[in-house]
Amino acid sequence: KQEVTQIPAALSVPEGENLVLNCSFTDSAIYNLQWFRQDPGKGLTSLLLIQSSQREQTSGRLNASLDKSSGRSTLYIAASQPGDSATYLCAANRDDKIIFGKGTRLHILP
Amino acid sequence: EPEVTQTPSHQVTQMGQEVILRCVPISNHLYFYWYRQILGQKVEFLVSFYNNEISEKSEIFDDQFSVERPDGSNFTLKIRSTKLEDSAMYFCASSTTTPNEKLFFGSGTQLSVL
Repeated sequence: KQEVTQIPAALSVPEGENLVLNCSFTDSAIYNLQWFRQDPGKGLTSLLLIQSSQREQTSGRLNASLDKSSGRSTLYIAASQPGDSATYLCAANRDDKIIFGKGTRLHILP
Repeated sequence: EPEVTQTPSHQVTQMGQEVILRCVPISNHLYFYWYRQILGQKVEFLVSFYNNEISEKSEIFDDQFSVERPDGSNFTLKIRSTKLEDSAMYFCASSTTTPNEKLFFGSGTQLSVL
């Protein structure tokens, strides 16, 4: 059974810093891994999707990496801004079922 | 930009009542999903739906739950006899031609069972 774990559960950093969010998954036989952003009381917005054959994806200040063999993914946020404050979720996809981690609550201090 | 639309945004019901949560997926998407998030907990997979039938479902999705695509645009989740523990945010999602593509989520329906 796939388990997805995210560390840390919460993170506060000053504006402008670079930061890394971590995700691990127990079953490496995944189709892809997605990173989502969730704002309080809102839905989920897909940020990056990494197919199982890929190692990383980039979008603007965001870079996500995937190491299937070790069951890990990281989300790197460069030059953080207060608007980046949200909960970031990673999700592993296999067999038409996506399993989410509990998320990392990120707070960027102005 | 196209989006997944969910109605209502909030639903309050009495325990034992039936509720129907509605979703309009993005028009050219073929895979549809329901997820739920109990306050403070993980987003949990409920069911996936493709080609007018369920393709995967979780242990949560028992006989009290059903899904339907009654026409070409709507996708519904029915809970026949609600329990207190069904209180959660329910999210609908869709993706394009395969389940390997990005998931697009609606903004959710907050269900409160009293």
